[in-house]
Amino acid sequence: ETGVTQSPTHLIKTRGQQVTLRCSSQSGHNTVSWYQQALGQGPQFIFQYYREEENGRGNFPPRFSGLQFPNYSSELNVNALELDDSALYLCAMMTSLIPNTGELFFGEGSRLTVL
Amino acid sequence: AQSVTQLDSHVSVSEGTPVLLRCNYSSSYSPSLFWYVQHPNKGLQLLLKYTSAATLVKGINGFEAEFKKSETSFHLTKPSAHMSDAAEYFCVVSVVRTGRRALTFGSGTRLQVQP
Repeated sequence: ETGVTQSPTHLIKTRGQQVTLRCSSQSGHNTVSWYQQALGQGPQFIFQYYREEENGRGNFPPRFSGLQFPNYSSELNVNALELDDSALYLCAMMTSLIPNTGELFFGEGSRLTVL
Repeated sequence: AQSVTQLDSHVSVSEGTPVLLRCNYSSSYSPSLFWYVQHPNKGLQLLLKYTSAATLVKGINGFEAEFKKSETSFHLTKPSAHMSDAAEYFCVVSVVRTGRRALTFGSGTRLQVQP
């Protein structure tokens, strides 16, 4: 049990719609990152937030955006959904950036299906 | 830049026989290395981590891994497989770069355990 909670667990959207995924932690981890995991693939880094600011981004377009709140919870927003956005979206938290071991605590993910 | 190569996409073993999941990495910096496990429809759980201490690392559920810098490898082993070990396994390399910790996931190895 990692103490990281994601919602919703499953959702279905249609192309062009917008979606918001949420993540929270019971443990006060102050750094949150989001990953996209397509079927049969490893997780791909979307972006990371620290102190409510984005401080790293993977190869994802601007229609993927996020927020981190003062209580360290986070949202991932995806606009103008495309079929290829269908995936498991994983939230991962850790405490501070450096020095630390980089160990991430993952939620169980939100599975998004775009029709 | 760093990268991770998991040399086998699928590994099948019989219950009670040894498990070997292979991982090679490349990194321009001193890396931390991790193995995560993902059971179906679940998030990722940390199995073990290497952070420049002992090169032989012991993790949960009887798994261990050896960091070999000369071979740039971090293979995961277990002496005796259990049915409950059937899952997807990810090797992860983590480095600190420009003030941010960057993690790169391998593409995963699916472990099947036959009765």
